[in-house]
Amino acid sequence: EVQLVQSGAEVKKPGESLKISCKASGYSFSSYWIGWVRQMPGKGPEWMGIIFPGDSDTRYSPSFQGQVTISADKSISTAYLQWSSLKASDTAMYYCARHSSGWDQAPFDVWGQGTVVTV
Amino acid sequence: DIQMTQSPSTLSASVGDRVTITCRASHNVNNWLAWYQQKPGKAPKLLIYKASNLESGVPSRFSGSGSGTEFTLTISSLQPDDFATYYCQQYDSFSPTFGGGTEVESK
Repeated sequence: EVQLVQSGAEVKKPGESLKISCKASGYSFSSYWIGWVRQMPGKGPEWMGIIFPGDSDTRYSPSFQGQVTISADKSISTAYLQWSSLKASDTAMYYCARHSSGWDQAPFDVWGQGTVVTV
Repeated sequence: DIQMTQSPSTLSASVGDRVTITCRASHNVNNWLAWYQQKPGKAPKLLIYKASNLESGVPSRFSGSGSGTEFTLTISSLQPDDFATYYCQQYDSFSPTFGGGTEVESK
């Protein structure tokens, strides 16, 4: 079964750093783009960026470029989303999700359960 | 960014109703359009991709249509499990964007 399992909820203070994770199983991690999506309370999803674990090619939404860092460790099939200095406005649910194909132009067909970040 | 506008934002319907949700893009997205269903506290679920292709395992009462800048999601006969919020997403540009959502509630 294809599955993405995210790390647990986090409560942090403004200015602190944070790295959340997304562990993939059931498919070839290196062969599919994997991305992060923010959803603030009561709002629609926002596409943050994607990474291709095979070569670490990374794309960011202009809204999130410079605000977060997306990375992946293909040796342990895990993607990461990190902040160097959190703000109260980063409070949200964060989902990781897999592209439905190896293309960089694809919808997300498999989603993690979400990680709540409270700042 | 390409802006995605959904209408209506809320839709009241009964079991058995035919339901249609519209999504308009600010620029041509070349049919790179997906629809998702989201229930409270859960991750979105992919229903439709490339405007009209049904994702595996999704009931056939869901269908998508449209092209260019205007798209629709239709539920042919609303079932109790379908009360949820629906989002469109364009993935044509280098920065995909989602619509604001349509909540389908019980009348």
